[in-house]
Amino acid sequence: DTEVTQTPKHLVMGMTNKKSLKCEQHMGHRAMYWYKQKAKKPPELMFVYSYEKLSINESVPSRFSPECPNSSLLNLHLHALQPEDSALYLCASSQPRGDESNTEAFFGQGTRLTVV
Amino acid sequence: QQQVKQSPQSLIVQKGGIPIINCAYENTAFDYFPWYQQFPGKGPALLIAIRPDVSEKKEGRFTISFNKSAKQFSLHIMDSQPGDSATYFCAASIGGYSTLTFGKGTMLLVSP
Repeated sequence: DTEVTQTPKHLVMGMTNKKSLKCEQHMGHRAMYWYKQKAKKPPELMFVYSYEKLSINESVPSRFSPECPNSSLLNLHLHALQPEDSALYLCASSQPRGDESNTEAFFGQGTRLTVV
Repeated sequence: QQQVKQSPQSLIVQKGGIPIINCAYENTAFDYFPWYQQFPGKGPALLIAIRPDVSEKKEGRFTISFNKSAKQFSLHIMDSQPGDSATYFCAASIGGYSTLTFGKGTMLLVSP
């Protein structure tokens, strides 16, 4: 099973709403990632969790709050977003790299977020 | 500063043709170079990847050529099919995690 599952697939939220994006993988990967992708642009890294600890935060505004409850789950909590935050939010997972680790990152299908 | 430069931005080939997408990188610390394929409304899917100690890698109809001295790598799609029409991203990463730095992407259209 090489699947990363993201829910919901689509989300429309107002600027005063609080919502959460969810991501789940059962590949035993210990690194999980959030990327943001605008239309016709490449994915941009937001956060990296390794062994359930936040390892990298790419200067993302505090209105985005990641959480890793366990090794299989990754959440992204959203609060007071702006219309410019509308994008495809992608979750990915991989093994942290060691000497011979498989480093392939597997992406979910994404959550299409629209902020109104 | 864009660390991975990808060209062309878009590409149209006829069925059976061999589209070639090129990428160049600046950071010599990069040590893992994957290519992703993305269809509209879907997440990127890993196609093939290479490490700098290998000059070429083939998987099915997809081939990566890697030139370490020139800091360039390219994707060739043999016998292209209309189903290959998608956006292709090259990427690079440095040890530790797969924190990918992506190129800007190439929209490929394979005409029937």
